[in-house]
Amino acid sequence: DGGITQSPKYLFRKEGQNVTLSCEQNLNHDAMYWYRQDPGQGLRLIYYSQIVNDFQKGDIAEGYSVSREKKESFPLTVTSAQKNPTAFYLCASSIMAGSYNEQFFGPGTRLTVL
Amino acid sequence: EDKVVQSPLSLVVHEGDTVTLNCSYEVTNFRSLLWYKQEKKAPTFLFMLTSSGIEKKSGRLSSILDKKELSSILNITATQTGDSAIYLCAGVTGTASKLTFGTGTRLQVTL
Repeated sequence: DGGITQSPKYLFRKEGQNVTLSCEQNLNHDAMYWYRQDPGQGLRLIYYSQIVNDFQKGDIAEGYSVSREKKESFPLTVTSAQKNPTAFYLCASSIMAGSYNEQFFGPGTRLTVL
Repeated sequence: EDKVVQSPLSLVVHEGDTVTLNCSYEVTNFRSLLWYKQEKKAPTFLFMLTSSGIEKKSGRLSSILDKKELSSILNITATQTGDSAIYLCAGVTGTASKLTFGTGTRLQVTL
């Protein structure tokens, strides 16, 4: 089955902790993206990667970090510097970072800071 | 700053009604507009619109882009309870396919 998987489904973090959200795809897609979804605000782009070993900041990158060591994997670390990390995090991928390729989404990780 | 605005924010209709959801965009280096349906978790892709005036259709759903007015509509005819979801619109910009999403329209279809 081809698709995008995210883990864990739910994550609880204490203040001051770093946590890493996993995103894996077996679609052989070049481009991968991380979004954050808050109630009433839609999805906002955190980071994106068009190719292995390269990534760019999105609109709200502060307090987050990513890596892209393998084509299939694009983990997101939420650092203690992120002031309001409680949100629903969605990972997406597209065939390539071109204009006419839709993005496919994973099932999401809901992060709650205690 | 890129911006996508959707209206209405929420909508309650009876099964069998027809609904029209609106999306307007101000996106630099605009390439295309995407519609997604989000029920509980992952948004699922509905349509990609790149050319003005050409309707895309899938069953009871259809959508069209108006580049002159910088807007798009999503129509759903003969609504069913399974259409209840958040409908997201996103403008695609640049060569990196950066998406700017609207806040979504929450549609509830009642019996």
